[in-house]
Amino acid sequence: QKEVEQNSGPLSVPEGAIASLNCTYSDRGSQSFFWYRQYSGKSPELIMSIYSNGDKEDGRFTAQLNKASQYVSLLIRDSQPSDSATYLCAVKKNTGNQFYFGTGTSLTVIP
Amino acid sequence: DAGITQSPRHKVTETGTPVTLRCHQTENHRYMYWYRQDPGHGLRLIHYSYGVKDTDKGEVSDGYSVSRSKTEDFLLTLESATSSQTSVYFCAISGTQGREGPQHFGDGTRLSIL
Repeated sequence: QKEVEQNSGPLSVPEGAIASLNCTYSDRGSQSFFWYRQYSGKSPELIMSIYSNGDKEDGRFTAQLNKASQYVSLLIRDSQPSDSATYLCAVKKNTGNQFYFGTGTSLTVIP
Repeated sequence: DAGITQSPRHKVTETGTPVTLRCHQTENHRYMYWYRQDPGHGLRLIHYSYGVKDTDKGEVSDGYSVSRSKTEDFLLTLESATSSQTSVYFCAISGTQGREGPQHFGDGTRLSIL
């Protein structure tokens, strides 16, 4: 079983819609969760960190964490063509210093 | 800008040659990591460091070695490159917000082994 799983997509949404990206993780002891955006040919860029159950909002982005279900999601409101990228979910366990990444979900926002 | 510089940015070399990639940080982060990214596999950890001369293996460490003689530099060496090591290599750093701080990535090195 993979440590972190994401639907690879591709996910397509029209401009202005809400894009919903999902991630599940296997280790119930995980404590820190991150979403990265990666444009083609570029490096991953941190967009959200979340450490406790519930929602965390930053501009058009909302991260949601449900530890009981071992589920993390990212909502992008008012999606823009510039949001078209691959989104990586990352998880850090309570012990050790390693981060575990999903394989990413490709998002396309259609003008 | 998290103050991470990877060099070289691109390299083409032949099978069997040694290759060293460098990651340099300017922000005194404790933890440094080397990943490779390949289609269908995502980011896979090669080696990481939790201090000067303190390193540990990751998921795909075979064929790679690392060294960290100074806080700011983390070197990845392919002793005898093989075509299967053609990939994009990313360095990452963390440690500014305690143990749970996020990672920040360098711009990557695109390595082709012919």
